[in-house]
Order: sequence, then structure tokens, then C-alpha cells
Amino acid sequence: AQTVTQSQPEMSVQEAETVTLSCTYDTSENNYYLFWYKQPPSRQMILVIRQEAYKQQNATENRFSVNFQKAAKSFSLKISDSQLGDTAMYFCAFMAYNNAGNMLTFGGGTRLMVKP
Amino acid sequence: DAGVIQSPRHEVTEMGQEVTLRCKPISGHNSLFWYRQTMMRGLELLIYFNNNVPIDDSGMPEDRFSAKMPNASFSTLKIQPSEPRDSAVYFCASSLTRATAFFGQGTRLTVV
Repeated sequence: AQTVTQSQPEMSVQEAETVTLSCTYDTSENNYYLFWYKQPPSRQMILVIRQEAYKQQNATENRFSVNFQKAAKSFSLKISDSQLGDTAMYFCAFMAYNNAGNMLTFGGGTRLMVKP
Repeated sequence: DAGVIQSPRHEVTEMGQEVTLRCKPISGHNSLFWYRQTMMRGLELLIYFNNNVPIDDSGMPEDRFSAKMPNASFSTLKIQPSEPRDSAVYFCASSLTRATAFFGQGTRLTVV
């Protein structure tokens, strides 16, 4: 079974600054995907970024980038030039792709507050 | 595409009543997931379907919960009888195999 751990229940950052959210996971699988989802107060779950485990290059999506360390089973999210609209819960998620299907396992979430 | 559509957005019901939550996945997606979100337990996978077939229902809390997917464009999650501890936000998500899951806006269920 897979587990995903987010060790920071809450974080805050000043507007325009950079913040990094941590995520570690445990799995015996070799092929998998990792995701970061954002959940603003509207409660909609929004995909932020995705990483394939077989790719060495870290994924980047505008102001969002990841630091994927496969050996350490670490997958942190960096938000650059933080904006007020980045205030939300952030969930790290793992998906193994194997014959059993493609179920997502989520971490407990990190609540991020961007301060003006 | 309108995305994953869930109904209703909010549901308030009395303990003991039957509750049915509905989900229309994104057209062409072959996997569908039901999640429950609470403050205490976070996001829990209840059940997921692949090509309309239930693959893993180990997250379904007890026999009061049941889920169906009669065709590729519709799924229901039913709670009968409902209890106050079932109060939560229930999400439906869909995806293609080995691809990103897209979520609906959720149903906030309150059982009084």
C-alpha cells in the first residue's frame, strides 16, 4: 500500500515571496505519477502540476515547480512570486500505474496563507 | 466539456433517510472515483470504477454505502440509512487510465 505524508499542516508566506511545500511518499512501485492539487475556499480540487516518476526533469508550470527526488521519495512544490489567489489547501497525491488500475492516494494537506 | 458534474451541490437530510449523490464523468473517461472529505480524516477513497466495473471498494465504510455505475456517463453513491457521522463533502472524479484525475465540485452532505 502507498502512503503520502505532508508534514506541514499550515504555512504562510508574504505576497511575492517564494514558498516550498513538502511531501514524502512510501511505495514499492517503480512506475507512478505524483500530483499537487489545490483546493481554494470554493472547495474545487484543481490540478496544479504533475510528475511522471520515470522522468528525471522536474515538472514546471508557470510559477509552480517541483523538486522530485525519487531515491528519497520526496516531491516538494515550490510556488514563486506568491499571489493572494494562491491561498488554499494543497494536497500531494500519488498514483501507481499497474494492472490494478490508477487510484489516487492523497496526503493530509497543507493550508497555505498568502499575506498581503 | 463541462467537466465532472455532481448533483446536488448541497444536501441536508434527517438521520435515517436515504441519500443519493450523482455524478456525470467527463465524456470519454474510463475511470471514476468517489472520495469523501472530512476535517478529521482528510480525503478518503471510497470506491473506484474502471470501464463501469467496480475495481476497489475497500474504502466504503459499511453496508449502508453503495455505489453503482450503470453506464459510462453516470454513477450514484447511495447512503441508506444516513447517520450524522456521514456528514462530509463527497467528491466524484474521473480520468483516463494512467492519467490525471479531474474532480467535480463536490456535494456537501449534512445529516441532522
